[in-house]
Amino acid sequence: DAMVIQNPRYQVTQFGKPVTLSCSQTLNHNVMYWYQQKSSQAPKLLFHYYDKDFNNEADTPDNFQSRRPNTSFCFLDIRSPGLGDAAMYLCATSIDRDRGYEQYFGPGTRLTVT
Amino acid sequence: LAKTTQPISMDSYEGQEVNITCSHNNIATNDYITWYQQFPSQGPRFIIQGYKTKVTNEVASLFIPADRKSSTLSLPRVSLSDTAVYYCLVGDTGRRALTFGSGTRLQVQP
Repeated sequence: DAMVIQNPRYQVTQFGKPVTLSCSQTLNHNVMYWYQQKSSQAPKLLFHYYDKDFNNEADTPDNFQSRRPNTSFCFLDIRSPGLGDAAMYLCATSIDRDRGYEQYFGPGTRLTVT
Repeated sequence: LAKTTQPISMDSYEGQEVNITCSHNNIATNDYITWYQQFPSQGPRFIIQGYKTKVTNEVASLFIPADRKSSTLSLPRVSLSDTAVYYCLVGDTGRRALTFGSGTRLQVQP
């Protein structure tokens, strides 16, 4: 089945140690999104790629970076994780971004910072 | 950016119909209204989307009045497995992606 895959499902990192989360999709969608979701809060969009065009949200900290080497893969890099970055990180895709096209979400990666 | 307002939580019993209303007073002409469902420790899942009037699929119905300043998600005959958080989103046009509101936590009891 076509899907959005996130690896790993659980990631533990140390304070200040760089960490990379990965997302892959078999849907061949143009758009890939990264969201951060903290406990009991709504998902917060960090950035998205429209094909190769990177779109950062204004309030996304510089500590968060992303790479999309090809259509299928997208990575979230946290350069120096702090305790406040502990959260569920969700990857999503959509065919297009205009007019509210349906987003398909992966299962998420739960990041713990020790 | 259209802001949405939803009740924080709702309670229901199995077999009842549940209606969750979302307010979006400054919705733009080209914006669509989309609802997602999220279970604990899972990514959100698309439920339904609409622009105006009524949309129905196998899971839910979406009612949108003529002024489009609100919308109501209707879940017929809920079961325990419908216990989840439901998010109403209003789509921005152009380069912006959708923004999730605070969501409504629905608790279905036996």
